[in-house]
Amino acid sequence: NAGVTQTPKFQVLKTGQSMTLQCAQDMNHNSMYWYRQDPGMGLRLIYYSASEGTTDKGEVPNGYNVSRLNKREFSLRLESAAPSQTSVYFCASSAVGGGGEQFFGPGTRLTVL
Amino acid sequence: AQSVTQPDIHITVSEGASLELRCNYSYGATPYLFWYVQSPGQGLQLLLKYFSGDTLVQGIKGFEAEFKRSQSSFNLRKPSVHWSDAAEYFCAVASKSSGDKLTFGTGTRLAVRP
Repeated sequence: NAGVTQTPKFQVLKTGQSMTLQCAQDMNHNSMYWYRQDPGMGLRLIYYSASEGTTDKGEVPNGYNVSRLNKREFSLRLESAAPSQTSVYFCASSAVGGGGEQFFGPGTRLTVL
Repeated sequence: AQSVTQPDIHITVSEGASLELRCNYSYGATPYLFWYVQSPGQGLQLLLKYFSGDTLVQGIKGFEAEFKRSQSSFNLRKPSVHWSDAAEYFCAVASKSSGDKLTFGTGTRLAVRP
């Protein structure tokens, strides 16, 4: 099993460009999450999806959209990238009733110039 | 709202020395508590978790943590640190009311002196 996979690993964008970060999990988990990690701030939740067909905002949703394409896949879209969105993005998944135990992907390092 | 505080941003210990990383949480009921480790350039890996029962929990790589309700703490310990333990460590909390959503601390970066 691959666990949680993310593409791409690295990306450089210019201000105003758009892009989609892809995430997939093969653990049959219902819940999926997108976080951003910035120095000194830990991980902050952007959006999450408790089940296929549902999505909810987390702590820092502004400037992002998500799509839960099916049970396996959860994508994060930046419609008009800004330098403030320079960060490392992590996708995670968990089983319902797992009490919060989440499994993380390797991350995408995004730079917006 | 639940919150997590990791008061130490950076810690350096000598190889073979003992380690304790501090974590304090704020939540009214019994929380679910986690420690994750992140090696450079990697994702997060679960070290250990506390849901209920025995307040001393054992994890992978020789780590343990103790839940102390009276102090709202969940400190991570290791009796003898190895150079490969150099990484960033995150404490996190969840609860029944938050579902599976985690709230993370800001992390403690551990350096190991040869």
